[in-house]
Amino acid sequence: DTGVSQDPRHKITKRGQNVTFRCDPISEHNRLYWYRQTLGQGPEFLTYFQNEAQLEKSRLLSDRFSAERPKGSFSTLEIQRTEQGDSAMYLCASSLGGGSADTQYFGPGTRLTVL
Amino acid sequence: AQSVTQLGSHVSVSEGALVLLRCNYSSSVPPYLFWYVQYPNQGLQLLLKYTSAATLVKGINGFEAEFKKSETSFHLTKPSAHMSDAAEYFCAVSESGAGSYQLTFGKGTKLSVIP
Repeated sequence: DTGVSQDPRHKITKRGQNVTFRCDPISEHNRLYWYRQTLGQGPEFLTYFQNEAQLEKSRLLSDRFSAERPKGSFSTLEIQRTEQGDSAMYLCASSLGGGSADTQYFGPGTRLTVL
Repeated sequence: AQSVTQLGSHVSVSEGALVLLRCNYSSSVPPYLFWYVQYPNQGLQLLLKYTSAATLVKGINGFEAEFKKSETSFHLTKPSAHMSDAAEYFCAVSESGAGSYQLTFGKGTKLSVIP
């Protein structure tokens, strides 16, 4: 068990550019979650996958955001036409199992800065 | 809709003193409650969780929390603070049986430990 990993750890981009982040969950975890954390706030839910199916999306996930988990393993989160308001820490988590009491294990996050 | 309020964005205690971090929740169904800790440049780590078994929950590093339904609270305590406890702490709630697995977090409380 190597934990949840995220790549890159830091990303600086210019407004209007597209960025893509990758998350590798703990192996065999069937659920994968994306959260966004801005300064002084707790993480806010964006979306989650059960295996390869995206089952829930937050209203925070505008049409510029898209997430995939093509083979039920790693996931990518893409932001198109980035805006300064997208600057945040993007956190990925994974869990194994069957209910809302499951422990979500978090990765170290990708810090995005949009100039 | 579920929500979490953490009273005090910053708490300072002396080394060896009692740690008390407050969390109140709102949920339309019986909740599951979590406390996570975040050290600088690291992901969130689960300290403990309440899943409708014992109301007093013991976690890692000597922390514990008590679920009080009448007060809608889930405060985190530790009898004696260590320097290594300095970090940011987040309380989170998920809703049992709702088919939604997202965590809703509070804004966090930064704990400082004074030598």
